[in-house]
Amino acid sequence: GAGVSQSPSNKVTEKGKDVELRCDPISGHTALYWYRQSLGQGLEFLIYFQGNSAPDKSGLPSDRFSAERTGGSVSTLTIQRTQQEDSAVYLCASSSSTGELFFGEGSRLTVL
Amino acid sequence: QKEVEQDPGPLSVPEGAIVSLNCTYSNSAFQYFMWYRQYSRKGPELLMYTYSSGNKEDGRFTAQVDKSSKYISLFIRDSQPSDSATYLCAMRKGAGSYQLTFGKGTKLSVIP
Repeated sequence: GAGVSQSPSNKVTEKGKDVELRCDPISGHTALYWYRQSLGQGLEFLIYFQGNSAPDKSGLPSDRFSAERTGGSVSTLTIQRTQQEDSAVYLCASSSSTGELFFGEGSRLTVL
Repeated sequence: QKEVEQDPGPLSVPEGAIVSLNCTYSNSAFQYFMWYRQYSRKGPELLMYTYSSGNKEDGRFTAQVDKSSKYISLFIRDSQPSDSATYLCAMRKGAGSYQLTFGKGTKLSVIP
């Protein structure tokens, strides 16, 4: 596609349930990022994938969070046993060698 | 002290005004500086990208970086209602660095 595609755009779930958020980056972009944006907060780095290298998971807030990137393209962010503090917009971005990040429109997660 | 400080506003100006948006930072290792614009319920989009100190102009937008003061600015001339959005500053370290550090964003409203 022309841009970074994320799904679902909105997700409402109950506390304790697992959720999966999907990101389809721009074709040919080797780098993929996940960020979290909470109300009144800046973008918080979660995880970074670059080609076949081991991902940088240093921003994941707890072991309930995990992400994978299959075939160097689509990525899935999984949150297990969701908590109310996980409510946020989860943004995916991809970039090529220029380093410019192109963001998707985000997945808005609400945990009741 | 946070690495990047940005006044969240909100900032409200009349149409046609010159807008000044600013960020300060504490880490002298930052070398690349960016401004992103984020419309409501959309992902951030890159507006300006500068390296080290100096000015960069693109249409009605001018980005300034003063590394000696650890201070960056974005100026918008002849502001338009369509400029109403949240503006996020972002920065990263050397060429091998991929992680962006974002400010919290300043919400701007341009009143017709």
